[in-house]
Amino acid sequence: EAQVTQNPRYLITVTGKKLTVTCSQNMNHEYMSWYRQDPGLGLRQIYYSMNVEVTDKGDVPEGYKVSRKEKRNFPLILESPSPNQTSLYFCASRLARQETQYFGPGTRLLVL
Amino acid sequence: GDSVTQMEGPVTLSEEAFLTINCTYTATGYPSLFWYVQYPGEGLQLLLKATKADDKGSNKGFEATYRKETTSFHLEKGSVQVSDSAVYFCALSAYSGGYQKVTFGIGTKLQVIP
Repeated sequence: EAQVTQNPRYLITVTGKKLTVTCSQNMNHEYMSWYRQDPGLGLRQIYYSMNVEVTDKGDVPEGYKVSRKEKRNFPLILESPSPNQTSLYFCASRLARQETQYFGPGTRLLVL
Repeated sequence: GDSVTQMEGPVTLSEEAFLTINCTYTATGYPSLFWYVQYPGEGLQLLLKATKADDKGSNKGFEATYRKETTSFHLEKGSVQVSDSAVYFCALSAYSGGYQKVTFGIGTKLQVIP
């Protein structure tokens, strides 16, 4: 089944404790993105990647890192999480020549 | 920069009522327009799209027409069901700095009551 998977789905952590949210897609998509969803703000792009080893900042990159060592994986790293990073996070992917994105199920993060 | 405006809601309707969710946009060039739907506990999925002016996207009884003159892409459905309860996101896709960037609205929550 074609899908985007994220792990974990739910995470509670404390300020400053490094964490990684994984994202994997099995559709051979070139483009991958991370978004955060907050009430009243909709979805905002954190980082995106156009292909392996090619990443760039989105609209709200502060406090986040990403890497794209393999085409199927695009992990999101919070090296020192803070409470303002409490949010619902989505990974998405698409083919380079298409506009439709495919989203993962989301990761709900609470930073205490 | 590009932007998408839609009401946050919630919009509460009775089953079989007519639905309209307004969406207007600001963009340079000729963006493609989308409606994505997010069911409770799930990620977003594409509901419908239109790629040029006057195109009508449709799916699952939902429709939206790309109106360039009013920069709008309103979502409509003639008779909603309880199963349509979800958050609906309007979005546009346009080239910016060599990359096809997607800009989302804030999402409109729809509640359909029996």
